[in-house]
Amino acid sequence: DAGVTQSPTHLIKTRGQQVTLRCSPKSGHDTVSWYQQALGQGPQFIFQYYEEEERQRGNFPDRFSGHQFPNYSSELNVNALLLGDSALYLCASSLMTTGRREKLFFGSGTQLSVL
Amino acid sequence: GNSVTQMEGPVTLSEEAFLTINCTYTATGYPSLFWYVQYPGEGLQLLLKATKADDKGSNKGFEATYRKETTSFHLEKGSVQVSDSAVYFCALDRGSTLGRLYFGRGTQLTVWP
Repeated sequence: DAGVTQSPTHLIKTRGQQVTLRCSPKSGHDTVSWYQQALGQGPQFIFQYYEEEERQRGNFPDRFSGHQFPNYSSELNVNALLLGDSALYLCASSLMTTGRREKLFFGSGTQLSVL
Repeated sequence: GNSVTQMEGPVTLSEEAFLTINCTYTATGYPSLFWYVQYPGEGLQLLLKATKADDKGSNKGFEATYRKETTSFHLEKGSVQVSDSAVYFCALDRGSTLGRLYFGRGTQLTVWP
């Protein structure tokens, strides 16, 4: 059973460019959340997708956008990259079941470096 | 607001030493509390959790008790091993919709043989 997979594992971009990161959730999961982890910091919530819609959003600018596909996979897009966007981007999946909590499973992340 | 404060790292211990990593939180409502562990080059793994006051989460010899009166969730282990070397994150979930976790800054633990 494959866990959460993210691609690519590493990425180097320059300021002003755009980037797309991809995530496939754990089999059977229908919800994807994205986090940004800057060096030496804890992960910060970016947004969450369920039923192909953004359900929650953290304190991130509109340059950060996402998408969820019918197969539950997801993309994170960042436009007009800034040096401060350099971080590890983590994807987490879960199953949204009414009245019942299911734990999050995290991928290994995509390390983005902006030069 | 919602936030988690962890003790500053790094923490360096000898094998078989006792471990405590302090964690305190601020939250609205009745949060669930978690400890996650991150090994080098890997994603976060859930270590243990507690969903209500006085609950004790435990796993792999690690324990943490949800203390509402002190808003704390300290991680402890009686005898650490070299393989426990990792970064440990305390986190909370406000209890509304699963998926939005608030993390502390993490504590790097290094255990020497």
